[in-house]
Amino acid sequence: ETGVTQTPRHLVMGMTNKKSLKCEQHLGHNAMYWYKQSAKKPLELMFVYNFKEQTENNSVPSRFSPECPNSSHLFLHLHTLQPEDSALYLCASSQDVGLESYNEQFFGPGTRLTVL
Amino acid sequence: GQQLNQSPQSMFIQEGEDVSMNCTSSSIFNTWLWYKQDPGEGPVLLIALYKAGELTSNGRLTAQFGITRKDSFLNISASIPSDVGIYFCAATGNQFYFGTGTSLTVIP
Repeated sequence: ETGVTQTPRHLVMGMTNKKSLKCEQHLGHNAMYWYKQSAKKPLELMFVYNFKEQTENNSVPSRFSPECPNSSHLFLHLHTLQPEDSALYLCASSQDVGLESYNEQFFGPGTRLTVL
Repeated sequence: GQQLNQSPQSMFIQEGEDVSMNCTSSSIFNTWLWYKQDPGEGPVLLIALYKAGELTSNGRLTAQFGITRKDSFLNISASIPSDVGIYFCAATGNQFYFGTGTSLTVIP
């Protein structure tokens, strides 16, 4: 495995379900990110982790709960989502955090989430 | 807040044609980036620009960091079918920002 992988690639869930998205990076990076990508909108940064510690939470609703057990794995736990949460959720990693590190992010393929 | 205005929103071109797209803002940035996103995949960095006026090429792709530091363009020469995808600009100022994307369709 190389780069940044995400599972599942597609997920359909009801508003009362609980599910989790998984991201794994094989690049030896220290920082990991969750983004939300909706049609015709810029990528929205959700969370940033550095060495397992959350360094940024961009006012994300509590129905999204991130978890970073180590610098190679990042999860996004989902519960009681709304239909407007349907989107592509992208994970990314970089060597470190900081503005310059955004220039060197590697993205995973994303999880296409549909909330019914 | 700061916003990147990317245009055009979509393009339909014949194979072999040249393509030009740009990003503008009312704010000044220190870095401009251009990404391509294939269907079902995450964005992949194409070109990074670090200095005002910088012109950088990557194969058939050329990008420039505007001299005012408020804009950037990306050109693709002699387009081929595999150029299809969504192209995003991104820029770093006091934060990191993405554009809304340009969807490119190449007709064989």
